[in-house]
Order: sequence, then C-alpha cells, then structure tokens
Amino acid sequence: QKEVEQNSGPLSVPEGAIASLNCTYSDRGSQSFFWYRQYSGKSPELIMSIYSNGDKEDGRFTAQLNKASQYVSLLIRDSQPSDSATYLCAVNVAGNAGNMLTFGGGTRLMVKP
Amino acid sequence: DAGVTQSPTHLIKTRGQQVTLRCSPISGHKSVSWYQQVLGQGPQFIFQYYEKEERGRGNFPDRFSARQFPNYSSELNVNALLLGDSALYLCASSLQGNGPIDSYGYTFGSGTRLTVV
Repeated sequence: QKEVEQNSGPLSVPEGAIASLNCTYSDRGSQSFFWYRQYSGKSPELIMSIYSNGDKEDGRFTAQLNKASQYVSLLIRDSQPSDSATYLCAVNVAGNAGNMLTFGGGTRLMVKP
Repeated sequence: DAGVTQSPTHLIKTRGQQVTLRCSPISGHKSVSWYQQVLGQGPQFIFQYYEKEERGRGNFPDRFSARQFPNYSSELNVNALLLGDSALYLCASSLQGNGPIDSYGYTFGSGTRLTVV
C-alpha cells in the first residue's frame, strides 16, 4: 500500500474554474504536509505547507488538512493555463531518521483556455 | 543568493558504469537530501545528510552511496548502473535536519537527468 496516494489524472478544468486536488496518507504520525508544483522537465517548486487541521490560504491557493481522515487537499481558484503542471503532495514524518518527505505520485492538472 | 545547484544537468552512462552527482545547498543550509524521480512518478527519498552525518536512508540498494563535505555540499554515487537507474536525481536543501520540516519546506535543485543505456 502506497503511503501517499494521489489520483494521477489528468484533471482538466476550464480557465477561471476552481481546481481541486486531493491526497490521502497512511501514517498517522505525519506532521507536516506540502504541495509542490512541477512543470514538465523541471524540479518541484513548493507552493503551500500546512501543519494544522483546517484551511490555509495563500493568494489563489488554499490547502486543507483533515488529520482524522488523513486527507490533504489543494484548491486553486481562478485557474490559469499557466497552472497546468503536475502537483505533488508530500508528507513529513519527523523522527530519528531525519526529516524525509514521502511524495505521492502526483496529479497532472490541465487548465484549458 | 544562489539556490541549490546541481551538476551535471544531464548525463548519459552505460550499464555497469559508475556515476557521481554533485549538489551545493543554499548558503546557510546544513541539510542535504537526495531523491530519485523516475518518469511519471513522484520523487523517492534516497539519503539525507545533516552536519556531515547520514540521518536517513531510503529503500535503495548498497550501490547507492553519498557523503557530505565540510562546506555542506554533497555527492551521490551510484555504482554498477542499471537501466532502471535512469531518472531525474534531485537534491534538496533545508535549514534543519531533525524535527518537522519547517514551513519553507525543501528547496530543490534543478536536478540531474541520468540516462543509462
């Protein structure tokens, strides 16, 4: 069983719509949660981090965390064609083994003009 | 300020050969982590080094090794290359090496694309 699961997509939304990306994780000890955006052929770029249950907003992006349901989501409002990329959910379980991130497989988002 | 720098950007090697990848973290960052990203998948953790000591190791064979130097730069070595080692190798730096990753997360370098033929 994968530790971090994402729907691979592609998720296709029209320009201006809300894109909703979802992620589930298996380790209840997870403490930190991150969303990275990765354009084709490029390295991941951090767009959001969240630590506590609830919502966290940053511009057009809102991250939502529900630890009881082991669920993290990312909402992108007013989606733009430039948002077309793969979105990676990453989870951190801090411990004696350092602070590694466990990534999901990513969801490919396509925003159509 | 310079970000995380990785070299080389692209590399083509033959099966059985050995390869060394290099990474310089952001100035002031003491933790370097290595990830392997196979096409179509998310990055997989290989190693973390903090203050020149190995702090974590992922599920990779002993053909993979790494080290961190006094200036906090790092090298990843892969011996006896297999076709399946073809991937984007990512280096990430962060301020601390223990405890939850802070809100700045990891900063990734642009990666080294390794092709094994």
